[in-house]
Amino acid sequence: GESVGLHLPTLSVQEGDNSIINCAYSNSASDYFIWYKQESGKGPQFIIDIRSNMDKRQGQRVTVLLNKTVKHLSLQIAATQPGDSAVYFCAENISGAQKLVFGQGTRLTINP
Amino acid sequence: NAGVTQTPKFRVLKTGQSMTLLCAQDMNHEYMYWYRQDPGMGLRLIHYSVGEGTTAKGEVPDGYNVSRLKKQNFLLGLESAAPSQTSVYFCASSYSMWAGWNNEQFFGPGTRLTVL
Repeated sequence: GESVGLHLPTLSVQEGDNSIINCAYSNSASDYFIWYKQESGKGPQFIIDIRSNMDKRQGQRVTVLLNKTVKHLSLQIAATQPGDSAVYFCAENISGAQKLVFGQGTRLTINP
Repeated sequence: NAGVTQTPKFRVLKTGQSMTLLCAQDMNHEYMYWYRQDPGMGLRLIHYSVGEGTTAKGEVPDGYNVSRLKKQNFLLGLESAAPSQTSVYFCASSYSMWAGWNNEQFFGPGTRLTVL
């Protein structure tokens, strides 16, 4: 069935280190993927997106990698800062299904 | 611009009571969505709208109704609240449908609803 999940529910990193948050998806018809950041008490905020015809896309301090062979998506945050503390979740757009499927999320904690 | 706003922020209902959640956006977006977020689960789509006067069912529509009388507003109604509807509700809007290149869904701050 269709599912978007995360390998780890929590991740703690030292301030200044790089963070990698992973996401697995199961639907081979998914053609577009998004990463969201959700801070406590707030709504999700778009971070970066990637299409299925790409394997990498970079933003400011963030990089998304897509491996369609193993249906895996990752979000890399460079030089993690205290403001990066949040829940991060991925979403996939299933082509033709007209819906986004959201993952449960990974809580990222930054240690000083 | 305020973006997407939601009222109220918090609400406690008794089983069987009714209420309406209001979502407003000032970005002139055609598409609006209502999601619920529950612990351990991803956001799930309740209903959505592709334009003023139109609505459609999402993944979990039972127990909810919606209306889009004005382009900027999307209302979510609970006619007879049940404890299973305890959740955080998010409204979102976007310029075009679903996900597309740089077609970001903008989310509101959420409404935390508890049904006793």
